[in-house]
Amino acid sequence: KQEVTQIPAALSVPEGENLVLNCSFTDSAIYNLQWFRQDPGKGLTSLLLIQSSQREQTSGRLNASLDKSSGRSTLYIAASQPGDSATYLCAVSNQAGTALIFGKGTTLSVSS
Amino acid sequence: GAVVSQHPSWVICKSGTSVKIECRSLDFQATTMFWYRQFPKQSLMLMATSNEGSKATYEQGVEKDKFLINHASLTLSTLTVTSAHPEDSSFYICSADADLTNQPQHFGDGTRLSIL
Repeated sequence: KQEVTQIPAALSVPEGENLVLNCSFTDSAIYNLQWFRQDPGKGLTSLLLIQSSQREQTSGRLNASLDKSSGRSTLYIAASQPGDSATYLCAVSNQAGTALIFGKGTTLSVSS
Repeated sequence: GAVVSQHPSWVICKSGTSVKIECRSLDFQATTMFWYRQFPKQSLMLMATSNEGSKATYEQGVEKDKFLINHASLTLSTLTVTSAHPEDSSFYICSADADLTNQPQHFGDGTRLSIL
């Protein structure tokens, strides 16, 4: 059974720092991996989608990498801003058209 | 881009009430939709997979008679929480798969259900 773990559970950094969020999954036979942002009491905003054949994806200050063989992904946030404060969720899909399996998330707080 | 609309966004009601939540794909057809539940400080957990024109598939531990799912068209799935109790209070969120290769699943904004 696929399990997704995110470390750390919470992170506090001053504005401007670069940071890395970690995600690991137990079954390397994934179809894709997604990173989401969730603000308190809100839904999910998709940040990056990495297909199983890809190594990384970039969007603005965000860069996500995927090492499928080791069951790991990282989300790199450059030059963090207070507006980046949110919970970041990692999720994997084992097959096309199937539900996502989520980690518990990393709650990020960026202070000004 | 693809949009999923979920309604209502917030419900507060008395114990014993049945509550219906709608999930619509606005600009694409979705043969499959997913319903998740998120308790405070927990991850999203899949409750059921909704298939257009057929019965939903429920995850272990989810009561199919309590959480009724109807997927009558390619753009609408509904989740009805029957005779809701305080322990059903949670954040419910749906997603839809556009059946397109290399595309992410699209999520609704969620429904916060509070049962008094």
